Amino acid sequence: DIHMTQSPSSVSASVGDRVTITCRASQHISSWLAWYQQKPGRAPKLLIYAASYLHRGVPSRFSGSGSGTDFTLTISSLQPEDFATYYCQQANSPPVTFGQGTKVEIK
Amino acid sequence: QVQLQQWGAGLLKPSETLSLTCAVYGGSLSGFYWNWIRQPPGKGLEWLGEVNHGVATNYNPSLKSRVTISVDTSKNQISLKLSSVTAADTAVYFCARGLGNSSGWSGSWGQGTLVTVSS
Repeated sequence: DIHMTQSPSSVSASVGDRVTITCRASQHISSWLAWYQQKPGRAPKLLIYAASYLHRGVPSRFSGSGSGTDFTLTISSLQPEDFATYYCQQANSPPVTFGQGTKVEIK
Repeated sequence: QVQLQQWGAGLLKPSETLSLTCAVYGGSLSGFYWNWIRQPPGKGLEWLGEVNHGVATNYNPSLKSRVTISVDTSKNQISLKLSSVTAADTAVYFCARGLGNSSGWSGSWGQGTLVTVSS
């Protein structure tokens, strides 16, 4: 299985801050990477797919980059509704695997 | 806009079979991949498997032969069965639709169903 490692595990930030989350795959996955946002008690929501494509309805302050083994999710200006847990997910080869999550908390 | 609504038994005893259904409203099963994903309380996400419109399936090897995902096109529903459950199978279970014709990305999700395994 491809192992996905996110860093940091948690980050404290203020509204308006720029936040960057990284995800590393244990082997090359090209651009087969997605990012999800999950709030407590809710289902995850797709933010980014194919490493850099914004899912419909997702605000443009979210962006994704990277290919191969190293990927980044950036929130350019953190909004109150962005406090949540973020997961990366690879779909290069089955089984699909997720990172352990990064919790974005209010500073 | 497609909506996924899930239901199933929420409390099971060890060795029983978990059975969940996901009904799809506002869209067809055809042309999409359908995934089941679970999340133990306070933990991360685990992909269980997928089925596509052609009824081909792909499962997580970690579940060995315990998992079965199927479709009922007449009812526009997808189902999940997980046999011989243990406490380790306690989790919130989600159904999700793939994005476009890709199996990789889960673009629409059900609300989740908490399944607890306890004697």
